[in-house]
Amino acid sequence: SQTIHQWPATLVQPVGSPLSLECTVEGTSNPNLYWYRQAAGRGLQLLFYSVGIGQISSEVPQNLSASRPQDRQFILSSKKLLLSDSGFYLCAWSDVGARGYTFGSGTRLTVV
Amino acid sequence: GDSVTQMEGPVTLSEEAFLTINCTYTATGYPSLFWYVQYPGEGLQLLLKATKADDKGSNKGFEATYRKETTSFHLEKGSVQVSDSAVYFCALVASIQGAQKLVFGQGTRLTINP
Repeated sequence: SQTIHQWPATLVQPVGSPLSLECTVEGTSNPNLYWYRQAAGRGLQLLFYSVGIGQISSEVPQNLSASRPQDRQFILSSKKLLLSDSGFYLCAWSDVGARGYTFGSGTRLTVV
Repeated sequence: GDSVTQMEGPVTLSEEAFLTINCTYTATGYPSLFWYVQYPGEGLQLLLKATKADDKGSNKGFEATYRKETTSFHLEKGSVQVSDSAVYFCALVASIQGAQKLVFGQGTRLTINP
């Protein structure tokens, strides 16, 4: 069966520090991968998606970047965090036909 | 672009009350529709879905019917429990270059009191 792992679960980082959040998927090949963010009191917003290794598309301009170095690995990064980067970050995957769309357990990031 | 509008919360009900959370959408064509639930401190779980007009999705006593004529997908439950307390998100799937993204409503926080 397919599983999705996301870590860390919580993170407190100072302003200006770098960020790396990792997401891996097991039990499937060539998944579509996504990073969403949920800011406090708001819904979820798609940040990045990837349809293959090295292929990254950004939905909104921001202080973050994403990379897909392997088929089932998706990384969210920042060189210098801002206070506004605080939020709940969710990784997700879907198969090509979007028959299923599965979320990871999320990372709660607090920038102080 | 595609969008989802959800009933604003928070919603507070007593146990065994009837629940309705309204959801309407704007989209090109007839996208699949979803309800996701987020329990405190957790990620999102799929609650139910419907893929075409007049489909009814159901799970754990919750139901929602895909209404093309009113572009709605309201969530209902006949008798809520304390364990249903969570944030509920309505969503549709939209095609983007080679992938599919979920477009979410803003979420509705539901609290059930014993």
